[in-house]
Parts: sequence; C-alpha cells; structure tokens
Amino acid sequence: GAVVSQHPSRVICKSGTSVKIECRSLDFQATTMFWYRQFPKQSLMLMATSNEGSKATYEQGVEKDKFLINHASLTLSTLTVTSAHPEDSSFYICSASVNSRGHYEQYFGPGTRLTVT
Amino acid sequence: AQSVAQPEDQVNVAEGNPLTVKCTYSVSGNPYLFWYVQYPNRGLQFLLKYITGDNLVKGSYGFEAEFNKSQTSFHLKKPSALVSDSALYFCAVRDRARGYQKVTFGTGTKLQVIP
Repeated sequence: GAVVSQHPSRVICKSGTSVKIECRSLDFQATTMFWYRQFPKQSLMLMATSNEGSKATYEQGVEKDKFLINHASLTLSTLTVTSAHPEDSSFYICSASVNSRGHYEQYFGPGTRLTVT
Repeated sequence: AQSVAQPEDQVNVAEGNPLTVKCTYSVSGNPYLFWYVQYPNRGLQFLLKYITGDNLVKGSYGFEAEFNKSQTSFHLKKPSALVSDSALYFCAVRDRARGYQKVTFGTGTKLQVIP
C-alpha cells in the first residue's frame, strides 16, 4: 500500500526559530500533497495544497509567509514554520494524493508534533 | 462547498455492544465519503470509504458504514465493540467533481468503549 512518512515525528523549538517538517511519499509519486493542522481535541484543518513544481495554494487565514511550503519533487514536500511562536504549537499532518482508477486517493502521514517554548 | 457534521463529541458504549458513530454530509455534487480513526499522538488511519455501488461499505477491523443518499448520512457501525476501538473517529467528504481533491473533515467523535 501507499506509505507517507513525516520527519521529524516530534520537535521542540524555541520561540523565534524556524522548523522544517518533511513529508515523503515512499512508494509512489504524488503530484499533490496537502498540509493539515490539528489542535488538541479538534479536527484537521487544511492549511495548504502543495503541487509539485508550483506555488502552494493556501487556505483563507493561513499566513503564507509564516508557513512556507516547498514541493520540490514528486515524493517530497516540506513545511517550514518560520519565526515560530508558542501559538504555532500543534500537530501537523501531511497527505499525498495519487490518482487511483480514475479518482484521487489521499494517504496520510503519521503527523509531527511541534512544541514551541 | 462541502461540509461534514458529526453531531456527537463523544460516544460511550459497553464492550460487546454494537456501536454507531454518526455522520452527515453536504456537497454540491456527489460525494466520496471516508472514515478515519486516530489514536493519541498518531496520524490518521483509513477505515473505509464509499465511492460508488453498494451502499453498505465494509472496512478494516470489522467496521462498516452505510451510505444513505436521501438522509445524506454515512454512519459508522460495528456489531460488537472492543476496548481497543476506543479512539477518535473522523468522517470526511470529498466532492466527486472531476479533479477535485480537497477533503473536508468533521470535528471528530471520541469513542469510549467501557470494559
């Protein structure tokens, strides 16, 4: 089956620093990847849609300068949280989309727990 | 626009009893529907999906869901709950429009199976 990995699984950083999270599709190519954010006991909120070789499309209310997304290859997308603040602490989940028998399937990564101190 | 409603924040059920987790949806076209389970500090695990065909969908770990177009519902069910089923369950919908890929999630329902 299709596997999506995320690295790191957990990261703690100080306020003001930047953190990069990687999302990889391990055994398939994904032209589109999605980044979600999940607050404690809440649902997943789509942050942005990342297309290989082009700029990401951000959802309303998501600061594109703060959450930098790069989708440099068909198997890798990165999310960089710049100048992190404690309110950025959250669980970040990526997914990779692949066309399967005429419709798109999304496969989710295991998530990255970011804690900003 | 598409949306999903999970009306129950938490569902409690005794081990061995049947369980139901409710979900209703709204899409402008026809839906793809999904159920995912999430354990603490983990990502989403796929349970089942409705694409087309039979309204009763069988998935992983003995779960099933029934697509009801007239009631725009896709309730998750299991005949006999296990303590290990205790987790957070998300219903999700995606419009079947060609090329549309965005998935919208419900707010989640915490399932607590009591021994």
